[in-house]
Amino acid sequence: SQQGEEDPQALSIQEGENATMNCSYKTSINNLQWYRQNSGRGLVHLILIRSNEREKHSGRLRVTLDTSKKSSSLLITASRAADTASYFCATGNSGGSNYKLTFGKGTLLTVNP
Amino acid sequence: DADVTQTPRNRITKTGKRIMLECSQTKGHDRMYWYRQDPGLGLRLIYYSFDVKDINKGEISDGYSVSRQAQAKFSLSLESAIPNQTALYFCATSGGGGQETQYFGPGTRLLVL
Repeated sequence: SQQGEEDPQALSIQEGENATMNCSYKTSINNLQWYRQNSGRGLVHLILIRSNEREKHSGRLRVTLDTSKKSSSLLITASRAADTASYFCATGNSGGSNYKLTFGKGTLLTVNP
Repeated sequence: DADVTQTPRNRITKTGKRIMLECSQTKGHDRMYWYRQDPGLGLRLIYYSFDVKDINKGEISDGYSVSRQAQAKFSLSLESAIPNQTALYFCATSGGGGQETQYFGPGTRLLVL
């Protein structure tokens, strides 16, 4: 079953605007990752935030993590048409050697030129 | 050259046929994964392997089997394909040992008639 749930399911914005996507999860995590998928292609890793971190930046991306609320957000600033893609959060389970990721259903972002 | 390759990229088969999807990686990673993606459902884990002698069932392993022929190769088989196995299949790798980022292949689009 999915651990993370992204919100909204779809988001349409104009180029230059900021895009915010949210992810909620249910159980404790070791880390949370965001991936991007262009239509029908393989996923590409964007950013990883660990459970003891609250905020992380990478270029135009800003990720926050609130473990008390079991939620994360991905902010893409100054969006471009090339940012059009599906964005997935993935949670890494806590502890042990049996580490694997559980993916959410994704947010489809459309950036209109 | 791509770090994670999948063959074939597209496959059409008939109900009851046995098929194999292959994955190769040049990243030197120990950990490999097979996922399937269905529209609106995100990625679901089928099988994963943390080294050549380790095979683990994922969330949806029924109807599938895997073989880890070498560190670099991980194959997924559908013993007797059925139409609801029509999906996009992804192979991924990760380094383990704190390297939790997963690297995805380009996917295999499978249609079972």
